[in-house]
Amino acid sequence: DVKVTQSSRYLVKRTGEKVFLECVQDMDHENMFWYRQDPGLGLRLIYFSYDVKMKEKGDIPEGYSVSREKKERFSLILESASTNQTSMYLCASSPTVSQLSGYTFGSGTRLTVV
Amino acid sequence: DAKTTQPNSMESNEEEPVHLPCNHSTISGTDYIHWYRQLPSQGPEYVIHGLTSNVNNRMASLAIAEDRKSSTLILHRATLRDAAVYYCILRGSNYKLTFGKGTLLTVNP
Repeated sequence: DVKVTQSSRYLVKRTGEKVFLECVQDMDHENMFWYRQDPGLGLRLIYFSYDVKMKEKGDIPEGYSVSREKKERFSLILESASTNQTSMYLCASSPTVSQLSGYTFGSGTRLTVV
Repeated sequence: DAKTTQPNSMESNEEEPVHLPCNHSTISGTDYIHWYRQLPSQGPEYVIHGLTSNVNNRMASLAIAEDRKSSTLILHRATLRDAAVYYCILRGSNYKLTFGKGTLLTVNP
């Protein structure tokens, strides 16, 4: 089974800190995604990547950046964390060949910015 | 992205079939219909997907209307572990999944 592993389940950071959320997948998937999930707003796409070093903005990229130096790893970066970035962050991956396949999600990182 | 419409919530009894509806009247010819579910405190989990024909897998069945403007996810015998939020999503060629609010399924013992 494909596994998507997010480095932390819970994280507490201070306002203004630089925050790295790491995601690793073990099935050689081309596509990787970062979502955030908030009550009443559902899951919203922040960034996605369809290849190493490639990235595209999702629906809410402001305040975030990403890095994909290796195929298996996709990092979400909060340059200067703010309290409105307190949320559940979910990483996902999928193969490209791929209308034929579903996405696999990680278990999520609950980030609290104080 | 084409939108989907689902009921906010549904209720079922254990061991009975559950039919979760989804309307997607603006679906394009190349959109795949995906279903995911999210159990409490977990990430979404892929359930099933299809294009035109009905699909079955170990988790569920997907019935797609002939005009593709609606679909139904069928859980043949609901269990308490099926209580979750179920999302119906149209996936186009840009790899993105755009989640709506989904249907909260409650399963009564």
